[in-house]
Amino acid sequence: GAVVSQHPSRVICKSGTSVKIECRSLDFQATTMFWYRQFPKQSLMLMATSNEGSKATYEQGVEKDKFLINHASLTLSTLTVTSAHPEDSSFYICSARDWSDGNQPQHFGDGTRLSIL
Amino acid sequence: QKEVEQNSGPLSVPEGAIASLNCTYSDRGSQSFFWYRQYSGKSPELIMSIYSNGDKEDGRFTAQLNKASQYVSLLIRDSQPSDSATYLCASTFSWGKLQFGAGTQVVVTP
Repeated sequence: GAVVSQHPSRVICKSGTSVKIECRSLDFQATTMFWYRQFPKQSLMLMATSNEGSKATYEQGVEKDKFLINHASLTLSTLTVTSAHPEDSSFYICSARDWSDGNQPQHFGDGTRLSIL
Repeated sequence: QKEVEQNSGPLSVPEGAIASLNCTYSDRGSQSFFWYRQYSGKSPELIMSIYSNGDKEDGRFTAQLNKASQYVSLLIRDSQPSDSATYLCASTFSWGKLQFGAGTQVVVTP
């Protein structure tokens, strides 16, 4: 099955630091990847759709200058949380879908737990 | 606003019994529906997908879809303690985006 790799799995850093998270599709090409955030005991909230070779599209209420997304190749998307603050602490998860096969579902990376001190 | 509704639970199920989870969705244009299982602190794992009306079985799992009623369900037969998790119902909308329900917590008791 489709495999999505996400790195790092955990980040602990000081307030004001920028943090980059990588999401890779290992055995398929993903022209589109998705970034989610999940707070404790809540469901996944879609933050943005990452499009290879073009700008990401952000969901309402998500600051595009705060959460920078780059999708430079068909297998790699990155999310950078700029100048992170404690309220940005959350579980960030990426997903990707093999668009070459019609109804294929999204497959998720293992997530990145971000803790800002 | 696209919405997917689930009972949050917890749903307590004796080991060996059937767990029944329900989900309704608001977007009549949704074509694809998924059930994901999420263990605490982990990312979601796909367990079932369903695209047409009726039942779809995969091992101990059966998904049911009724587009007229905008209803999706998941049955887990012979529930095991390892099935204890949060189950997320999701439907697709524009450009393959997923709309998730809040999730139903299932607790299988020995």
